[in-house]
Amino acid sequence: AQSVAQPEDQVNVAEGNPLTVKCTYSVSGNPYLFWYVQYPNRGLQFLLKYITGDNLVKGSYGFEAEFNKSQTSFHLKKPSALVSDSALYFCAVRDRGSTLGRLYFGRGTQLTVWP
Amino acid sequence: DADVTQTPRNRITKTGKRIMLECSQTKGHDRMYWYRQDPGLGLRLIYYSFDVKDINKGEISDGYSVSRQAQAKFSLSLESAIPNQTALYFCATSDLASSYNEQFFGPGTRLTVL
Repeated sequence: AQSVAQPEDQVNVAEGNPLTVKCTYSVSGNPYLFWYVQYPNRGLQFLLKYITGDNLVKGSYGFEAEFNKSQTSFHLKKPSALVSDSALYFCAVRDRGSTLGRLYFGRGTQLTVWP
Repeated sequence: DADVTQTPRNRITKTGKRIMLECSQTKGHDRMYWYRQDPGLGLRLIYYSFDVKDINKGEISDGYSVSRQAQAKFSLSLESAIPNQTALYFCATSDLASSYNEQFFGPGTRLTVL
C-alpha cells in the first residue's frame, strides 16, 4: 500500500528562522515525491519534486527538500522563512513502478510564519 | 493555475439536490482527476480519467459520478447531495507524456450541503 504521513498538523516559526515540514512515505517500489503548497482560497501549487539523482531537490520560492531513502523521508526545508510562506503544505508520493500514475497525498501541514 | 478552471467556485445547496461541478483545462493534458479536501484529511481521490474513454474510481467514489465530455472537460456530479459531501473539491490534470505525473490543480469549488 502507498501512503504519506505528515506528522505535524501545524508548524510555527519566526520570520528569518529556518523551517522544516516533515514527510515520510510508504510505497512498494521506488518513489516519485512531490511537495505542493495551498494558499488561502487557492488551489494547490507545485513546489518541487524528487525523481532521481541528487537527494537534495531545489524548488520554487527558495524551498528545497531532502530525499532520504533509508528513512523513507522527504522533508521540506527553507533556510530563512518569510511571513508570505504561511500556507498549507502537502506532500505526495507516487510509486514509480505503477502504471496508474496516481498520487497519494498526506493530510497537510499548516505553516505559520510569525513576523 | 489559470489553465485549469472550475465552475462554480462556491455553491450552497440542499440535501437531495443534484449538483454538477465542472472542470475545464487548456493544458492539453490527457489525464484528469477529481479530489475532495476536508480539514485534517488532506486530498482524497474521487475519480480519475486517463482519456475520454477511460474512467476509474478513486478511493471515495460512492455518491459521486463523473463524465468526461471531451479531453478538456471533466464533470463531477452528486446525484443526491448529502451534508457530509460538504467539502472543497479540486480538479487536477496531468500529462500522459510525463512519467512523473506532476499534477496541476484548479482553484477549487467550495460546496456546502445543508
